[in-house]
Amino acid sequence: QKEVEQNSGPLSVPEGAIASLNCTYSDRVSQSFFWYRQYSGKSPELIMSIYSNGDKEDGRFTAQLNKASQYVSLLIRDSQPSDSATYLCAEGNAGNMLTFGGGTRLMVKP
Amino acid sequence: AAGVIQSPRHLIKEKRETATLKCYPIPRHDTVYWYQQGPGQDPQFLISFYEKMQSDKGSIPDRFSAQQFSDYHSELNMSSLELGDSALYFCASSPIGGEAFFGQGTRLTVV
Repeated sequence: QKEVEQNSGPLSVPEGAIASLNCTYSDRVSQSFFWYRQYSGKSPELIMSIYSNGDKEDGRFTAQLNKASQYVSLLIRDSQPSDSATYLCAEGNAGNMLTFGGGTRLMVKP
Repeated sequence: AAGVIQSPRHLIKEKRETATLKCYPIPRHDTVYWYQQGPGQDPQFLISFYEKMQSDKGSIPDRFSAQQFSDYHSELNMSSLELGDSALYFCASSPIGGEAFFGQGTRLTVV
């Protein structure tokens, strides 16, 4: 069982809608969580980091962390076709190793 | 701003050959990670270094070795290459406990 789980998708949303991406993790001592966006054949690009319970907003992106339920989510408001990519959730352990989920493929249709 | 630099960007090797991938982290980042990403798969952690010492080890084959040098650049050495080693290899760097940033990757093709 993977330590970080994501629905592989694809998640399809119309342009302008809210895309909701979810991630669950099994390691209760995980301290840090990250969302990366990866276009095909490109390297992962850091979008958001979140370390404490609650919401963190940055532009059209909002990350939500619930440590009690062991999930972290990413909301993308006003989705654009350029947001179409694979979104990787990652958790960082005490040794700073990042563990990635399998990624969710998002498709935003014009 | 300076980013993580990887070289080469593309590499073609034959089976049983040896390959060396290089990574130059962002200045003042003391942690380097190596990841392998096969087609359609998520990045798989190979190994990491903190302050030139190995800090964690993932699913790195015994045929692979890595080190971090005094200038903080890192090299991933891959010997006895197999067809299944064909993948994108990413290096990432971070300050201790901070956000990791990825290089552009090296696409290794073993033929």
